[in-house]
Amino acid sequence: ETGVTQTPRHLVMGMTNKKSLKCEQHLGHNAMYWYKQSAKKPLELMFVYNFKEQTENNSVPSRFSPECPNSSHLFLHLHTLQPEDSALYLCASSQVSLNTGELFFGEGSRLTVL
Amino acid sequence: EDQVTQSPEALRLQEGESSSLNCSYTVSGLRGLFWYRQDPGKGPEFLFTLYSAGEEKEKERLKATLTKKESFLHITAPKPEDSATYLCAVEGDSNYQLIWGAGTKLIIKP
Repeated sequence: ETGVTQTPRHLVMGMTNKKSLKCEQHLGHNAMYWYKQSAKKPLELMFVYNFKEQTENNSVPSRFSPECPNSSHLFLHLHTLQPEDSALYLCASSQVSLNTGELFFGEGSRLTVL
Repeated sequence: EDQVTQSPEALRLQEGESSSLNCSYTVSGLRGLFWYRQDPGKGPEFLFTLYSAGEEKEKERLKATLTKKESFLHITAPKPEDSATYLCAVEGDSNYQLIWGAGTKLIIKP
């Protein structure tokens, strides 16, 4: 495996379900990110982890809960979501000591909340 | 407030018809401007970083330029495989997070 891998690629869940998105990076990077992408809107940064420590939480509702057990893995735990949470969720990684704007993205997890 | 605006929202061109995409920005102390390409069903892929006004970067049929207020992504003699959404982002001194534009969807017809 190379690059940034996200699973599952597609997820349909009810408002009362609990599910998790998984991200794994094989690039040796020390920063990982969760972004939300909705149609015709700019990417929204949700969470940032540098060296496994959360450094950013952009006023994300508590129904989204991140977890970073090590510098290669990142999870986004989902519970009691709303239909407006339906979107493409992108994971990215970067090397903090280098150019912070060069992010490597996974292919995303397409989430549909019914 | 830091802001990025991309135009047009969508652009349809014939194969070989050159054009430009625009990224206008307001940011306190530009640290870098970044262009990404996103294919349908995929995550964004990094293309270029520009750091200061007057700087240019090229890759195949793409050339990115930067002024103090905007960046252009020029596409010369495009091919259908250049069809994608092109995203622009900036990083400023006041906030080390990337500020993203909504993207320009480019469609190249054969």
